[in-house]
This record gives sequence, structure tokens and C-alpha cells, in this order.
Amino acid sequence: EADIYQTPRYLVIGTGKKITLECSQTMGHDKMYWYQQDPGMELHLIHYSYGVNSTEKGDLSSESTVSRIRTEHFPLTLESARPSHTSQYLCASSLPGPRGETQYFGPGTRLLVL
Amino acid sequence: QKEVEQNSGPLSVPEGAIASLNCTYSDRGSQSFFWYRQYSGKSPELIMFIYSNGDKEDGRFTAQLNKASQYVSLLIRDSQPSDSATYLCAVQLSGGSYIPTFGRGTSLIVHP
Repeated sequence: EADIYQTPRYLVIGTGKKITLECSQTMGHDKMYWYQQDPGMELHLIHYSYGVNSTEKGDLSSESTVSRIRTEHFPLTLESARPSHTSQYLCASSLPGPRGETQYFGPGTRLLVL
Repeated sequence: QKEVEQNSGPLSVPEGAIASLNCTYSDRGSQSFFWYRQYSGKSPELIMFIYSNGDKEDGRFTAQLNKASQYVSLLIRDSQPSDSATYLCAVQLSGGSYIPTFGRGTSLIVHP
């Protein structure tokens, strides 16, 4: 079983609040990812990181930011939450190999912005 | 044009039948292909991966890859109601700098 954790699991917050979604992994993986997924819909990559001090924007335009100060930690921050940010946020990590890389997903954070 | 295409379904099969899930991709440089299963309200989890042309079997699951035709499929034999989930295809170019690209997933329903 993959050791990747996300907190909080559920969050209800008012518009305009600043929030940080936490993601940690204990597998020593260099690559980490944040995805956004609405119920029954596809995964959208919003941020990823190749390692410490590396962050990149994904395919989906997002008003969130990320940081990667430590290998095991990849938090995502929304400076001012809006109802349009309501979604599920999935964190993942992977270890590159000669045949591609398997991604391990955290349990997700369900965010509701009122 | 989306890089990884999957029929969103739902694909409905009776218990005990073979479920066939298909995925096509556009980039001929793709080298690694993954199938993930996602139960409703849960996170994706890897079922299997394949990188060579042909078939790869793991229990009731068989992945099939045809690079010339740019498709990869997943067969589930003796389908069970517990197999009801969304199946995501992911494709990756070779090299550590590449990020896997996911399809939108196919919803599978196995009815008793």
C-alpha cells in the first residue's frame, strides 16, 4: 500500500478564505502531482514537481500555487477560495523507472467553497 | 485533439462475461501504458502497465498493446460486480521528464 497522505480529507470553507491542502509521501519519490477531479469527470493536472525547488503548472489553468521545499511535502494553496474551486483534489507521487512510472495517489481532499 | 481517448461509457456487461476497455493515443513516441481503476469516490489505483507489443496477463486482467495502431486495451475476464468502476488509461512518453497523460476514463458496470 502506498504511503501518501492528504489532509484535510474534507473541507467546507467560505468564499475569500485562504486554504492550504497538505500532501505528504514517505516513499522518497521525486515526482509529485496535484490533480483536480469533479465527480464522474476526468482528472485534470494542475501542478507537478520534479523534485525539491521544482514546480510546474499543469494543463488546467488554476489559481492555486504549490511549493516543494522538502521531498516528502507538496502543499497546494488557494489564496482566496471561490465556489468555482469546489472539487476533489488528488495528490500523487511517482518514481521514474526505465519503463515509465507508476503513480500512487493519496485519498484526496474534497473541498466545498460556500 | 485529445492525446488519450477513451469511450466514457458506461459499458455494461453481465457477471461472468469478458469486459473489453479500449484506449487510443495520438503520440507515436509513447512508450509506457497504464491502466488504473477508480471506484466511485475513491482515488485511482494501478491495475497493470504494459510497454511491449502484445498481451500481458495478470490474473483476470489482460492488457493488450498495439503500437502500430496506437491502441491499448484492457480485458477483464469473469467480470464481477466488484469490478464496477471507472478505468483510466494513462500514456507516457519515454524519459523521466515526461508526465503521464490520462484519458477521461470508461465507466464499467457489471450487473448480476
